[in-house]
Amino acid sequence: QSALTQPASVSGSPGQSITISCTGTSSDVGGYNYVSWYQQHPGKAPKLMIYEVSNRPSGVSNRFSGSKSGNTASLTISGLQAEDEADYYCTSYTSSSTHVVFGGGTKLTVL
Amino acid sequence: QLQLQESGPGLVKPSETLSLTCTVSGGSISSSSYYWGWIRQPPGKGLEWIGSIYYSGNTYYNPSLKSRVTISVDTSKNQFSLRLTSVTAADTAVYYCATVNPRWAFDYWGQGTLVTVSS
Repeated sequence: QSALTQPASVSGSPGQSITISCTGTSSDVGGYNYVSWYQQHPGKAPKLMIYEVSNRPSGVSNRFSGSKSGNTASLTISGLQAEDEADYYCTSYTSSSTHVVFGGGTKLTVL
Repeated sequence: QLQLQESGPGLVKPSETLSLTCTVSGGSISSSSYYWGWIRQPPGKGLEWIGSIYYSGNTYYNPSLKSRVTISVDTSKNQFSLRLTSVTAADTAVYYCATVNPRWAFDYWGQGTLVTVSS
């Protein structure tokens, strides 16, 4: 059981928008703005898509955006494209001795 | 642009020690900008943080693995390493090395290396 809760799967059609949630506690997501999101295609290493809740690294499409409300962070992908089909993971800093916690991952299917 | 590359045995026997090295290129491991971390992913499962090290030797470990894990750094070789003792089949995973920035985000990743624990 992962420390952060994500839906197992989400789906959407090309051009649509989808949102993936990541729910934690006040000790992690709710207490710090150190939430990150990663995209992982099959057989590949994860790729950083969002850091500090809503910041995009250089080179990441502005179709990807992040936000947070209370203990839940969200990743929104607008204008879905076939290449967005992948697994998505959230992470957060935590005040517990674990330091970093991961979500269980969400499989995005582009219909 | 930083590049990271994992290396080490792909097969380890139960109860033995898993040892992996991450070689950093395109930048210095002595950079104050990063911690250097290890993350693993069992086949078909999610990601698990193992631990991180600063070039000075300061370390953070996942408490669930802390008793079996050692992460070290060799600044002369621009490398950092992972040792995991007393391995079992549950330690079978793809092991990634990655940079950890001050905002606890993993910026750069190695390609990953599969380590199988089996006799």
